Amino acid sequence: QQPVQSPQAVILREGEDAVINCSSSKALYSVHWYRQKHGEAPVFLMILLKGGEQKGHEKISASFNEKKQQSSLYLTASQLSYSGTYFCGTEMLGGSQGNLIFGKGTKLSVKP
Amino acid sequence: NAGVTQTPKFQVLKTGQSMTLQCAQDMNHNSMYWYRQDPGMGLRLIYYSASEGTTDKGEVPNGYNVSRLNKREFSLRLESAAPSQTSVYFCASSEAKPGLAKNIQYFGAGTRLSVL
Repeated sequence: QQPVQSPQAVILREGEDAVINCSSSKALYSVHWYRQKHGEAPVFLMILLKGGEQKGHEKISASFNEKKQQSSLYLTASQLSYSGTYFCGTEMLGGSQGNLIFGKGTKLSVKP
Repeated sequence: NAGVTQTPKFQVLKTGQSMTLQCAQDMNHNSMYWYRQDPGMGLRLIYYSASEGTTDKGEVPNGYNVSRLNKREFSLRLESAAPSQTSVYFCASSEAKPGLAKNIQYFGAGTRLSVL
């Protein structure tokens, strides 16, 4: 049931773009995206609800394709502060309300 | 506003020792969660409590017990610690109110536990 994230790791130069994908084999109610910096707690970025909406946060946006049970996180014009590990958390349709299953994470490194 | 507070931040145990990890939230949230995070594994749910007085097993509950002491506090107990329980433990909370569409989880700073 654990969602699959890809890629596992990505290295960027400042100003470059990246896409992180999250795919589930189960029907989803929502997808949550978190960023975790080394030695810190995960921090909520955004939530995508069933309905295919696209959300934005600074230069970070995301989409949710409920037919494919996939979500993608788009990071444009990356900054050094974007470095960290990104996790998607999936909330299943018919599952316990609010419970998330997290992917294994994508480590993003932004170099000057 | 402190959010989610975990204690202790660091702990070293010997195999067989017991300990309790404490978690408290001041956001009046209904649901609370305990996760463990191991390298390359993401966050795995140990136990959760959907409301005061209820607890349920998550993905990896073996070797752990929990208590939802009141709406604010949710503790995790290791009765007889094993080296396989060396990990970083995170507590989280969410409003998780029926009819609420966006159940965002907020995390504490974590407890780094080593079992020797």
